[in-house]
Amino acid sequence: GDSVTQTEGQVTVSESKSLIINCTYSATSIGYPNLFWYVRYPGEGLQLLLKVITAGQKGSSRGFEATYNKEATSFHLQKASVQESDSAVYYCALKTGGLSGKLTFGEGTQVTVIS
Amino acid sequence: GALVYQYPRRTICKSGTSMRMECQAVGFQATSVAWYRQSPQKTFELIALSTVNSAIKYEQNFTQEKFPISHPNLSFSSMTVLNAYLEDRGLYLCGASARSQNTLYFGAGTRLSVL
Repeated sequence: GDSVTQTEGQVTVSESKSLIINCTYSATSIGYPNLFWYVRYPGEGLQLLLKVITAGQKGSSRGFEATYNKEATSFHLQKASVQESDSAVYYCALKTGGLSGKLTFGEGTQVTVIS
Repeated sequence: GALVYQYPRRTICKSGTSMRMECQAVGFQATSVAWYRQSPQKTFELIALSTVNSAIKYEQNFTQEKFPISHPNLSFSSMTVLNAYLEDRGLYLCGASARSQNTLYFGAGTRLSVL
């Protein structure tokens, strides 16, 4: 089946430094999957951060960027300068099977930004 | 905007009893509703996907007999955890999407504890 692998466990980064969370995927369905980053802030639900449905395109939101690299089957999340408010759990996900298809999540990466 | 509400936010039930959780979509028509579970130390696993006018599709390891789902209209869905045991504890998320969208919008989840 489909699978998503992302930077494991916890990442601690100092405020104003750069952040990268690696994400690679494997999709067994025909065609290219749609790729997503979701974020869960402390005490809140899962929110969509950004999505890219076309290979080669870049998505961006709140200073975060991710590029859909079909050759490397990667969708790494980056931010040039993080803030304390970016502390959260980030989940990479892929969707196959069209509009009513299945969304598969990675394990999640806990990001803690320290001042 | 698209919002999804889940209730209750937290619940505790005795081992062997059942617990029903609800999901309400506001601001859009939820033609598809997906129920996920995040068990301790794990990522989100898809339990089942319900699409209006189609049969509810359960993932491997999840059954209708254990997790019956109702999706009676375009704004509401419920799921019951029958005969809950320790392994059923975790965070249950409802994600909903409209027919023309490729994005699931999630509620804050129902956290189930089993005594």
